[in-house]
Amino acid sequence: AQKVTQAQTEISVVEKEDVTLDCVYETRDTTYYLFWYKQPPSGELVFLIRRNSFDEQNEISGRYSWNFQKSTSSFNFTITASQVVDSAVYFCALSFNSNSGYALNFGKGTSLLVTP
Amino acid sequence: DGGITQSPKYLFRKEGQNVTLSCEQNLNHDAMYWYRQDPGQGLRLIYYSQIVNDFQKGDIAEGYSVSREKKESFPLTVTSAQKNPTAFYLCASSPYGTGLNTEAFFGQGTRLTVV
Repeated sequence: AQKVTQAQTEISVVEKEDVTLDCVYETRDTTYYLFWYKQPPSGELVFLIRRNSFDEQNEISGRYSWNFQKSTSSFNFTITASQVVDSAVYFCALSFNSNSGYALNFGKGTSLLVTP
Repeated sequence: DGGITQSPKYLFRKEGQNVTLSCEQNLNHDAMYWYRQDPGQGLRLIYYSQIVNDFQKGDIAEGYSVSREKKESFPLTVTSAQKNPTAFYLCASSPYGTGLNTEAFFGQGTRLTVV
């Protein structure tokens, strides 16, 4: 079965602190993709990153970085020097393939609040 | 501009009434999806469709129905059989041909309140 677990329900940090959002997944597939999305208060989900199961290189994009470790089935997301605009709900997702096509399984999300 | 349009943004209905949520995309994507979001529950998949005239049940399809008569449209009907319909509904699309590695693009959502 496909499952994504985001154990942190809410995180509150002060601006400029670093923060890591955890994501642990379960899958029997050998080929899969992991994603992170951001949901600001407006409600629309914004795609942040995609990582395939064969690529364990960490990725950095500005203040954002992602650490994918297959050995622990984790795909953690770190925001460095957080800003108030980073306040949002962040979702980790895992793609799955059924006989009828592809879709994403999402975790329950982590609500991040960054205060000045 | 290309994107996904969900309408209306807020919807109120009386208990026992069916209601249809609209989702239109002009991205020429083959695949479309409906997710439901409840506080503390994340996004749960209701229905998805990879091609016109074909769709599949997701994890929580009971009480919902969909149609896919046109590539750009994927309306969701919340029927009176759905026991707890009040939620935030998100529609998404993706280009089917690229499969597993394709991110989904989301609309702005419809917040349905049943009173």
